[in-house]
Amino acid sequence: EVQLVESGGGLVQPGRSLKLSCVASGFTFSNYGMNWIRQAPGKGLEWVAYISSGSSYIYYAETVKGRFTISRDNAKNTLYLQMTSLRSEDTALYYCARLPGFDFWGPGTMVTVSS
Amino acid sequence: DVVLTQTPPTLSATIGQSVSISCRSSQSLLHSNGNTYLHWLLQRPGQSPQLLIYLVSRLESGVPNRFSGSGSGTDFTLKISGVEAEDLGVYYCVQGTHAPNTFGAGTKLELK
Repeated sequence: EVQLVESGGGLVQPGRSLKLSCVASGFTFSNYGMNWIRQAPGKGLEWVAYISSGSSYIYYAETVKGRFTISRDNAKNTLYLQMTSLRSEDTALYYCARLPGFDFWGPGTMVTVSS
Repeated sequence: DVVLTQTPPTLSATIGQSVSISCRSSQSLLHSNGNTYLHWLLQRPGQSPQLLIYLVSRLESGVPNRFSGSGSGTDFTLKISGVEAEDLGVYYCVQGTHAPNTFGAGTKLELK
């Protein structure tokens, strides 16, 4: 059974950092590109970052470029999102999702940026 | 970035009614490899999104066949033939043809 489980969210002050993880199981993680997607409370889905299966290709949304870093460890079946210089507008539920078809999503981890 | 425009933003339906949701793209979603990476997701209240339809019209495993997708180029449609109570939630189209991936704003399906 394919599973994605995010962790690492929490309450953080503006300007601070946080690192999210997404542990994958039930499939060959190293064969798939992965996305981070977020959803602010009561809002729609916003793509955040993409990483290809071998980490050769990485893309970011303009809203997070220069502040967030996506990475992966295929030996540990884990996807990461390092978030720095956090702002209140980064408050959201953060999902990891498998590509190419967005066919599996984790339950999400909540990040709240507030003083 | 590709803009996906979903209409209507809200849809009120009775059980058994057939409904359609439109998703229009600001650019053609036909990839140079011949695939069109336009997918449909459903997010039920309090849940993560789930894939319903991929590559315009292919039904994801386990999804009831009352869901169908159609379209090409820039115009796409999701149809539900006979709404059931479990279909309530927010529907999103998402494109994977052009980087970055982008989502439509969503269509909320409610009971009338």
